[in-house]
Amino acid sequence: GAVVSQHPSRVICKSGTSVKIECRSLDFQATTMFWYRQFPKQSLMLMATSNEGSKATYEQGVEKDKFLINHASLTLSTLTVTSAHPEDSSFYICSARKSTSGLTDTQYFGPGTRLTVL
Amino acid sequence: AQSVSQHNHHVILSEAASLELGCNYSYGGTVNLFWYVQYPGQHLQLLLKYFSGDPLVKGIKGFEAEFIKSKFSFNLRKPSVQWSDTAEYFCAVNAMATSGTYKYIFGTGTRLKVLA
Repeated sequence: GAVVSQHPSRVICKSGTSVKIECRSLDFQATTMFWYRQFPKQSLMLMATSNEGSKATYEQGVEKDKFLINHASLTLSTLTVTSAHPEDSSFYICSARKSTSGLTDTQYFGPGTRLTVL
Repeated sequence: AQSVSQHNHHVILSEAASLELGCNYSYGGTVNLFWYVQYPGQHLQLLLKYFSGDPLVKGIKGFEAEFIKSKFSFNLRKPSVQWSDTAEYFCAVNAMATSGTYKYIFGTGTRLKVLA
């Protein structure tokens, strides 16, 4: 199968600091990666889509300057939450897909990162 | 706007009971449909998917789903649930975004609790 890992699994930080979350595809090359946010007892909300080597496409309402996404290689994407505030506390999940267009491709999900901002 | 709705937010069943979880979507183009499961403390795992062909799709762990185009539905079923099926189930549609690529739109999820 296709395995996606995330690091760290949990992070607690002080308000105003920046936090970086890594997403790696372990056994396949991911031309496209996605970042989601999941609030308690709610669904996954897509934040942004990133293709390797190009700028991420952010969903409406997501601040690109606050949530920096870098997809530097075919196996690694990073999400940096800049100047984090308590309202950014959430569960962040990444997924990876093998193709860029994605009609018939499946997304494979990482285990998620629990961010708590004090 | 594209959307996915799951009607049952919480379902409680006894072991061996039959399960059907509803999923309806709102999207006019070509769709691919998925059901994912999230066991407690674990990541999302693919249960099954529909791209084309036979509208009755069989997945892992005895799950199946039926795509009914006229009803815009993709309901998940299992004839006899087990305690280990306790999890949260998400329906998703793979729809074209304005960027020209495809992205998932998730339903709100259904929490299933199976009583031993």
